[in-house]
This record gives sequence, structure tokens and C-alpha cells, in this order.
Amino acid sequence: AQSVTQPDIHITVSEGASLELRCNYSYGATPYLFWYVQSPGQGLQLLLKYFSGDTLVQGIKGFEAEFKRSQSSFNLRKPSVHWSDAAEYFCAVGPGGTSYGKLTFGQGTILTVHP
Amino acid sequence: SAVISQKPSRDICQRGTSLTIQCQVDSQVTMMFWYRQQPGQSLTLIATANQGSEATYESGFVIDKFPISRPNLTFSTLTVSNMSPEDSSIYLCSGRGASGGSVVFGPGTRLTVL
Repeated sequence: AQSVTQPDIHITVSEGASLELRCNYSYGATPYLFWYVQSPGQGLQLLLKYFSGDTLVQGIKGFEAEFKRSQSSFNLRKPSVHWSDAAEYFCAVGPGGTSYGKLTFGQGTILTVHP
Repeated sequence: SAVISQKPSRDICQRGTSLTIQCQVDSQVTMMFWYRQQPGQSLTLIATANQGSEATYESGFVIDKFPISRPNLTFSTLTVSNMSPEDSSIYLCSGRGASGGSVVFGPGTRLTVL
């Protein structure tokens, strides 16, 4: 069975500092990987996704993620955090093909940004 | 990417009643899904809404409790039946186009059962 682990429940950073959110997955085939952000009272917004090719993926809002197959990881990074990045971040994995879109989510990481 | 809307955005219901949540997509999507996000928890897939046929439910979810319809490519409903306080959650609809496209989510319906 597929699973996603986000080891950090809560992370606090200062505005302008760099950020890395960890995500480890367990999946039997080639995974389709996603990062979403959920602001309070809002739905999920897709930051980026990875299917194949270049293992460093660029997303919206200055985020990037790196797929490391050997470590079963897909960590999210941002070089300089803004106060508006405070939100909850979810990593997700799913199949391709006809079942593409059926996602398994991690528990989420809450990001707090200090001024 | 498609844009998804949901109605209602929130509701407070009494135990034993049912609520139907609507999901509307602004363009045709191949697949539509329903998720539940319990308080303080992550998202869990309830079912895949299949156009013109019965939904496909994930383990732990049954049609009698969560009947789903999808009459066309842009609209789906989820009913939460015979509600109990444990059903208090955010229910989200998602959709995707062709394989490899974005998987987008609606804003969610926040349900509180008293």
C-alpha cells in the first residue's frame, strides 16, 4: 500500500530564511508526486508536481522540489520565505494511468513564519 | 486548469439527517474524486465519482453512507447520510483532466454535526 510521511508536524522559520519541508513516500511503482498548500479556510492549491524527467521541479510562488528515488523523498524548498507562505503544506503520491488523480496524502506540515 | 466550486461552503446539521454537497467544474474533467478531511487530519479519499455509473469507494467507505452521483462530466454530488458528530469534517471535491494534467481541488464544504 502506498503511504506518505511528512516527519515535521510544525515548522517555524523567520521571514527571509530558507525553508525545506520533508516528504518520504512508499509506493510500489513509479510515483506521481505532488505538493499542495492549504491556507486557513481555503482549499488546496497545487504548488508543483513530478512525474518524470528532471528531478528538480519548479513550482509556483518560488517553490521547488527535488525527487530522490534512492531516498524515496520529495522535499519542498524555498530559498527565502515570505510571511504570506504561512499555511499548511501537504505532500501527496498517486498512480498514473487510468487511476491518475487518486491521491494519498501525508499528514501535513504547518508552517509558521516569524517577522 | 479547471476551477471547481462547491455548495454549500459550510453547514451545521442535526444528528440523523443527511446533507448533499454539490461540486461543479468549469470545464470537462476526466475523473472526479471526493475526499474527507477530519479536524486536524489529512485528506482521505472517499471515492471516485464515475460518470453515469456507480461510484468506486475506497476501503472503509460505503455507498449507503456516502451516496455519490455524477450525471455529467462537470457535476457531482456527495450525500452524507444519517449523520453523526463523527462526520464533522471538511469534504472536498477534486478533478483532473488527461493523465499528467493538474489535479485541482474545490474550496471544500465544512460540515458540523451536532
